[in-house]
Amino acid sequence: KQEVTQIPAALSVPEGENLVLNCSFTDSAIYNLQWFRQDPGKGLTSLLLIQSSQREQTSGRLNASLDKSSGRSTLYIAASQPGDSATYLCAVGSYNTNAGKSTFGDGTTLTVKP
Amino acid sequence: EPEVTQTPSHQVTQMGQEVILRCVPISNHLYFYWYRQILGQKVEFLVSFYNNEISEKSEIFDDQFSVERPDGSNFTLKIRSTKLEDSAMYFCASSLRGGPPNYGYTFGSGTRLTVV
Repeated sequence: KQEVTQIPAALSVPEGENLVLNCSFTDSAIYNLQWFRQDPGKGLTSLLLIQSSQREQTSGRLNASLDKSSGRSTLYIAASQPGDSATYLCAVGSYNTNAGKSTFGDGTTLTVKP
Repeated sequence: EPEVTQTPSHQVTQMGQEVILRCVPISNHLYFYWYRQILGQKVEFLVSFYNNEISEKSEIFDDQFSVERPDGSNFTLKIRSTKLEDSAMYFCASSLRGGPPNYGYTFGSGTRLTVV
C-alpha cells in the first residue's frame, strides 16, 4: 500500500526566501506525481505534474523534482511571497487496474511573512 | 482552460438523509474519480469510474455510497443515509487516461458536505 509523507508539516519563512518542501513515497511503482496548492477551506489547484519518466518540471518560481528510485520529490519555491502562503500537497499516482488513483500526503502548511 | 465543475459548493443535510453530489467532468475525459477530505485530514481516494463501471473503490466506499454517470456529462456521488462522519469536502476529478502516459488529474473545487 502506497504511503506518502510530507516534511515539514509546517514552515514559516520571511518573504523573499527560497524554500524546499519534501515528499517521500514508499512504493516506487508510480506513473506520476502532482503537487497541489490548497487554500484554507478551498479546493485543489494543480501546480506541477511530473510523469514517471521525467526528473523535473518548472513553472515560474516553482520547480519540482522526482527521484523514483529513492521515492522522493521536492518542490522548490524561489523568492517566496506572502501570496504563496497555503498548504502544499503531494499526490502520487499509481495504478493496478485500468484506472489510476492518487495517494496524497498530509501536506506542508507554508506561511510567508511580509 | 477546461474545468471540472462541482455543485453545490456547500450542502447541509440531516443525518439519515440521502444526498447527491454532482460533478461535470472535462468533456473529453474518460476516467472519473471521487475523493474526500475530512477537516484537518488527508485527501482520500473513494472510487474510480471508467466505461460506465467502477474500476476501483476504497474501503471507505461501502454500500452507502454509489456513483453514476446518468448522461454524457454528469458524474454523481450518492450517499444513501448520511452519518455525522460523512461530513467532509468531496472532490470530483477526471483524467484523459487511467494509466501511463497520463496527463494527471483535474480536480473540481469541491462540495463541502455538513451532516447535522
